[in-house]
Amino acid sequence: GAVVSQHPSRVICKSGTSVKIECRSLDFQATTMFWYRQFPKQSLMLMATSNEGSKATYEQGVEKDKFLINHASLTLSTLTVTSAHPEDSSFYICSASSGTGRTDTQYFGPGTRLTVL
Amino acid sequence: KQEVTQIPAALSVPEGENLVLNCSFTDSAIYNLQWFRQDPGKGLTSLLLIQSSQREQTSGRLNASLDKSSGRSTLYIAASQPGDSATYLCAVPFYGQNFVFGPGTRLSVLP
Repeated sequence: GAVVSQHPSRVICKSGTSVKIECRSLDFQATTMFWYRQFPKQSLMLMATSNEGSKATYEQGVEKDKFLINHASLTLSTLTVTSAHPEDSSFYICSASSGTGRTDTQYFGPGTRLTVL
Repeated sequence: KQEVTQIPAALSVPEGENLVLNCSFTDSAIYNLQWFRQDPGKGLTSLLLIQSSQREQTSGRLNASLDKSSGRSTLYIAASQPGDSATYLCAVPFYGQNFVFGPGTRLSVLP
């Protein structure tokens, strides 16, 4: 089956630094990639949708200048948390889809746990 | 705006019991509904995907049903095992592919 990986799986950083999270589709070309965030004991919330070669579409309330998303190839999308603060500590999950249709399955990565000190 | 709710929020059962998890959504114009499993600190594992034209899907001990008209889906787990302990999330696509997730049901199966 389709596999999506994320790197790193865990990251701890100091407040004010930037952190980059990678999401890769290992055995298929991901036309669309999605980034989600999950705070403790809460459900997943979609942050942004990215299509290869175009700018990401951000959900309301998500700062695009703080959460930089790059989808430069069909197998890689990156999320950069700029000037991270403790309130950005969360579990970040990406998913990828090979299609653009409404019935296409999304394949989820294992997630990245970010802790900002 | 699509809203997804799940009942119960938490469930603790002895091993071997059959159980039902419930998911409700407000906008019945969905294309499909998906059930996921999430282990603590881990990513999501897709369990079952039901297309809007289907009424149920089965995978092993899992059976998911979908009633679009009433805005409900149920996940039935037969003969529960301690390894089934996890959080179960239902999700529906909204405005295309974007998912709206329910808050989840935390399941504990006691040996």
